Amino acid sequence: QSVLTQPPSASGTPGQRVTISCSGNSSNIGSNFVYWYQQLPGKAPKLLIYRSNQRPSGVPDRFSGSRSGTSASLAISGLRSEDEADYCCAAWDDSLSGPVFGGGTKLTVL
Amino acid sequence: VQLVQSGAEVKKPGESLKISCKGSGYYFTNYWIGWVRQMPGKGLEWMGILYPGDSDTKYSPSFQGQVTISADKSISTAYLQWSSLKASDTAIYYCARHPTSVAGLDAFDIWGQGTMVTVSS
Repeated sequence: QSVLTQPPSASGTPGQRVTISCSGNSSNIGSNFVYWYQQLPGKAPKLLIYRSNQRPSGVPDRFSGSRSGTSASLAISGLRSEDEADYCCAAWDDSLSGPVFGGGTKLTVL
Repeated sequence: VQLVQSGAEVKKPGESLKISCKGSGYYFTNYWIGWVRQMPGKGLEWMGILYPGDSDTKYSPSFQGQVTISADKSISTAYLQWSSLKASDTAIYYCARHPTSVAGLDAFDIWGQGTMVTVSS
């Protein structure tokens, strides 16, 4: 069972906006930055959002992140077929002295 | 900036194994580097993290005593090793970089391509 909680699945149609939630506690999301990764089948995780709401260069501005209290969310606007992937949140956990991950959300573009 | 991992491995239960992760494009000694397990069809699990500058190492309680993390800073390479593999160690193992020299606040930014380890008799 993952430390951070994400819905196992999400879906949307092309052009829609979808959000994926990530819930933690005061030791992780409540006191540290949230990271979001995109993982395509058979590939390594790719950084999508860092420090809760920052996009690395090359990541489209259709992707955005936010954090409030002990929860965070990833929003994808203008959904495209190539966005179909697994999305995973992560945050440093002060109790474990290491990062913890969500179980991942499989996004389906209908 | 990249992390390049060693190739896939097929081992028998009870055998030992050491996989590697070579960093390039940045000062390897100045950033924590961690290992993450992904079992087939499952999510990511943090195993441990090491600071190559002084070899300070932190393990997840789930993996303490099960694996050993080390590094050779002279060749910018981190290692993950097992002394006696089990079938349940079958997974993809990723190395990943922490973006600062201070453990905490952040998760990983740069990831290796992954090493598939298969343990089967």
